Amino acid sequence: EIVMTQSPATLSVSPGERATLSCRASQSVSSNLAWYQQKPGQAPRLLIYGASTRATDVPARFSGSGSGTEFTLTISSLQSEDFAVYYCQKYNNWPRGTFGQGTKLEIK
Amino acid sequence: EVQLVESGGGLVQPGGSLRLSCAASGFTFSSYAMSWVRQAPGKGLAWVSAISDSGGGTYYADSVKGRFTISRDNSKNTLFLQMNSLRAEDTAVYYCAKDSWDSSGYFNYWGQGTLVTVSS
Repeated sequence: EIVMTQSPATLSVSPGERATLSCRASQSVSSNLAWYQQKPGQAPRLLIYGASTRATDVPARFSGSGSGTEFTLTISSLQSEDFAVYYCQKYNNWPRGTFGQGTKLEIK
Repeated sequence: EVQLVESGGGLVQPGGSLRLSCAASGFTFSSYAMSWVRQAPGKGLAWVSAISDSGGGTYYADSVKGRFTISRDNSKNTLFLQMNSLRAEDTAVYYCAKDSWDSSGYFNYWGQGTLVTVSS
């Protein structure tokens, strides 16, 4: 079973600065990697799929990169609405999509 | 506009049963695989179960296999999750989620969730 590990668990960044979140797979998942954003009391929202393709209506400040076992979500200039929990998910073995444990992005 | 609306959550005693529903609208329900994903209080997301577009294929996480049953009624655009032999560790918000394209494995729409609490 492939394990997804996100780091760091909590990231403190000031508004306007860049945030870099990491996700590592214990085995290669090729580019079958998605990122979600979840705010308190809300359902997750799809941000990125195929490791680097932005979902509909996702701002350009969000970008994804990586393949195989190492992936990164970058938010280029943090806005107040970006402070949330972010999850990666691998989906190379449909339908058993495994999520990472999440990274909480908080205001510094 | 795509909408997924879950219902059926609540408080149930250990060993009890509950049936969740997810009413879908705004897309051709019968063309997409659907999943249930849960989130225990203060914890992360965990995939629970999935069903193919026709309903002919059903899949479960090991933690719920043999206790939960996923089904769908394509004539009524509704997804179900029958949960039996519930345990305290099943306490979570349960989300229904739509595959971005059939059997893609990632989810472009989610419901608002329904809370299941298993406690005596």
